[in-house]
Amino acid sequence: DTGVSQNPRHKITKRGQNVTFRCDPISEHNRLYWYRQTLGQGPEFLTYFQNEAQLEKSRLLSDRFSAERPKGSFSTLEIQRTEQGDSAMYLCASSFPGAGIEQYFGPGTRLTVT
Amino acid sequence: ILNVEQSPQSLHVQEGDSTNFTCSFPSSNFYALHWYRWETAKSPEALFVMTLNGDEKKKGRISATLNTKEGYSYLYIKGSQPEDSATYLCAPNTGNQFYFGTGTSLTVIP
Repeated sequence: DTGVSQNPRHKITKRGQNVTFRCDPISEHNRLYWYRQTLGQGPEFLTYFQNEAQLEKSRLLSDRFSAERPKGSFSTLEIQRTEQGDSAMYLCASSFPGAGIEQYFGPGTRLTVT
Repeated sequence: ILNVEQSPQSLHVQEGDSTNFTCSFPSSNFYALHWYRWETAKSPEALFVMTLNGDEKKKGRISATLNTKEGYSYLYIKGSQPEDSATYLCAPNTGNQFYFGTGTSLTVIP
């Protein structure tokens, strides 16, 4: 296993279009996190899964955002009706459960909404 | 939402200089403090995880300390090298969620 992978690495879309990103975590990890990072800010928590269950969602996550992890392996993050404010780096991370456990990050998907 | 502050925001040092950064966070609801290094065009890389007050961790020329009672952590880099140039992020963890600071951007000038 080579680590966490994300696809695509870059996505340019027009405002109003839907986009979907994929994250493949490290196979033994049952926790999977999604973050959003904008210029000058640190990664901002969006949601996380333990296996296939979505356990927590940030209140910052509007109803245009949805995430799934149907079989407890890969996850998808969909943004409907994209807005220019959605332009950001979307990061995925995976880990074993526990607060003192390291997260392993993917390279991110850079979204640009024109 | 946890308010996490990192200082300085950016730093330029000469190769060979030693440097340190600060991460401040609310000391309540604390489980662990994580440090990451994020180089441009790469994934954030975990450096340290600390959980106990007074914890000290070291990896090569980089070390970190933790004070949970007053809510801060220091990251030290001894003898900075150009390859240390990156953004250093801290992230307290309250159990399930990680709250990242805005990071300290370090540039080491050869």
